[in-house]
Amino acid sequence: QLQLQESGPGLVKPSETLSLTCTVSGGSISSSSYYWGWIRQPPGKGLEWIGSIYYSGSTYYNPSLKSRVTISVDTSKNQFSLKLSSVTAADTAVYYCATNGIAVAGFDYWGQGTLVTVSS
Amino acid sequence: QSALTQPASVSGSPGQSITISCTGTSSDVGGYNYVSWYQQHPGKAPKLMIYDVSKRPSGVSNRFSGSKSGNTASLTISGLQAEDEADYYCSSYTSSSTWVFGGGTKLTVL
Repeated sequence: QLQLQESGPGLVKPSETLSLTCTVSGGSISSSSYYWGWIRQPPGKGLEWIGSIYYSGSTYYNPSLKSRVTISVDTSKNQFSLKLSSVTAADTAVYYCATNGIAVAGFDYWGQGTLVTVSS
Repeated sequence: QSALTQPASVSGSPGQSITISCTGTSSDVGGYNYVSWYQQHPGKAPKLMIYDVSKRPSGVSNRFSGSKSGNTASLTISGLQAEDEADYYCSSYTSSSTWVFGGGTKLTVL
């Protein structure tokens, strides 16, 4: 049973880069069975897919965020990370890491989520 | 990419059935059998309830079912229970190799 846990600063200043890490336990991030993704939810609003990465390094990003997003994998630590540059108050949200399996077209495992506030 | 369209709210009484719709385009919902549904209680992470349009993950009640017709997918909850009161989101894979979510539907159990 996979378990995911987000970590990172809860407060980021405008124009800076938001950096979050998702630590995976109960399975290998090098597995060919999963894509590893990030999803966010602004307070009181709906879900927005940010992007996903495959163990091979292939990345897929939301077109509306693509110019500011980088998702990477650290196999030595069994982690994957999100970097979102040039943040504004509109990037304030709960950020979730999640997996979607090759055999499951849906996000089946989720972290608990971490609130990131963009404010000076 | 545009968000999928869901009704903002639906309601039903215990024991009744309700259906939540999710409308997209031929580039997402209509083009792939990769629609999923999520249940989210306040302050909690979303939970996968349906994937591949109509499949249930292990442990999800068979009161939850999914279907699709053209560009519109649907989630039906039968035998409504108080614990079903939550926000529900649909999601679909797209022709751009991305994922898109719906705006969410708040289910109220009267």
